[in-house]
Amino acid sequence: EAQVTQNPRYLITVTGKKLTVTCSQNMNHEYMSWYRQDPGLGLRQIYYSMNVEVTDKGDVPEGYKVSRKEKRNFPLILESPSPNQTSLYFCASSPWLAGGVYNEQFFGPGTRLTVL
Amino acid sequence: AQTVTQSQPEMSVQEAETVTLSCTYDTSESDYYLFWYKQPPSRQMILVIRQEAYKQQNATENRFSVNFQKAAKSFSLKISDSQLGDAAMYFCAYSTPNAGNNRKLIWGLGTSLAVNP
Repeated sequence: EAQVTQNPRYLITVTGKKLTVTCSQNMNHEYMSWYRQDPGLGLRQIYYSMNVEVTDKGDVPEGYKVSRKEKRNFPLILESPSPNQTSLYFCASSPWLAGGVYNEQFFGPGTRLTVL
Repeated sequence: AQTVTQSQPEMSVQEAETVTLSCTYDTSESDYYLFWYKQPPSRQMILVIRQEAYKQQNATENRFSVNFQKAAKSFSLKISDSQLGDAAMYFCAYSTPNAGNNRKLIWGLGTSLAVNP
C-alpha cells in the first residue's frame, strides 16, 4: 500500500530534550515536506526537500532541522524543543515533476507533539 | 504574498442536503492550483478535489464539485447529498508552480462542517 508513515504518532516531552520525528514514504517520491498545524494559524511549511541531500527552509524553520540521506526518509529533528513547538506535525510527499507541474501531495497521519 | 481565506469557521448541513463552503485567495500569479482537503477527526489530510487555474471547466469528483471564479479569485466547494461521513474540517489550499523547487501548499484556516442526521 502506497503511504507516508510518521512516528511517533503522539509524543509528550520536556523542554530541551532532543527528539526526532521520522517520516518515510514508499512511493519513490522526490519531494517531501514538513508542515505544522496550529489553531488559528493553519498549516505552515517548516522544511522541504526536492531530493536526496537537497533541503531548504519553509516559512517557519526556526528550531527545526531536517536531513535527507535516503530518498524515502525525511526526519524532522528538534534539537532543543520548547513549548511553542507544541503542535500537530504533518509530513507530505509527492513526485517532483519538471516545469512546475503539480502532482498530488500525500500526507502522513500526523504527529501530535506536546512540549512541557 | 499569496493568501487563502475561508470566511466560514463553522457550517452545518442536514444529511442528504447540499452545502457550499467558501474560499477566496489572493495571488498575482496566473498559473496555479487550488485544492480542497478534508481532515476528519482522525486528523488524516485527504485530498477531496483539485482545480488547475488554466482550466475553465469546474472540477467534479462524485458528490463534490467546485465553483472556480478566476477573476473573482473565488473557489467554493459544493457537497451534494451530504453524508454523515462528510463531517470534518475542510481546508482550501493553493500552490503555484512558480515557487522554484518548492511545492508548498498555502492553506486557509479551515471550515468545520457538521452533518446533522
